[in-house]
Amino acid sequence: RKEVEQDPGPFNVPEGATVAFNCTYSNSASQSFFWYRQDCRKEPKLLMSVYSSGNEDGRFTAQLNRASQYISLLIRDSKLSDSATYLCVVNRYNQGGKLIFGQGTELSVKP
Amino acid sequence: DAGVIQSPRHEVTEMGQEVTLRCKPISGHNSLFWYRQTMMRGLELLIYFNNNVPIDDSGMPEDRFSAKMPNASFSTLKIQPSEPRDSAVYFCASSLGAEGTDTQYFGPGTRLTVL
Repeated sequence: RKEVEQDPGPFNVPEGATVAFNCTYSNSASQSFFWYRQDCRKEPKLLMSVYSSGNEDGRFTAQLNRASQYISLLIRDSKLSDSATYLCVVNRYNQGGKLIFGQGTELSVKP
Repeated sequence: DAGVIQSPRHEVTEMGQEVTLRCKPISGHNSLFWYRQTMMRGLELLIYFNNNVPIDDSGMPEDRFSAKMPNASFSTLKIQPSEPRDSAVYFCASSLGAEGTDTQYFGPGTRLTVL
């Protein structure tokens, strides 16, 4: 079983739709959580960190459930430019900067 | 401001040849990471350095892979001898510190093809 699991998709949605991505992690020692975005044939870029209380950045909302070891990302009013692969990422306690990446969920937003 | 710089951007080589990938981290960043991305295995950490010292190399696949960071502004990842299964995109990333909360900034990657 992979340490970080995501639905690979692809998710094909129309512009303006709301889409939700889910992620589970297996190591309860995981301490920090992130969503990265990766455009086709480009490098990953940090989209947002995920906090226990949940956090929002414009149209993006991230939530964390430590008891269920579950992370989510909600995108509202999706734009064509949101088309990308979204990577769920965790960092283990006491392992410094070592990040564990999920396989990614591909999103395609259509006009 | 310059981001993480990697070279070459593309490399095509034949099995058995030595391959050297290069990375220049963002100035002032103290941690540097080498990742490999394939369709099958996704994005995997190979090794990371903090203040030029290797901290965790548990992801280095085998002895054919080696990485160095001779100074704060330069790192290399070497594969010798290369094999077709090494074909992947290799990313270098840097961050201000070595804490998990420090944002990692990725370079554009080197797309390696081993024939």
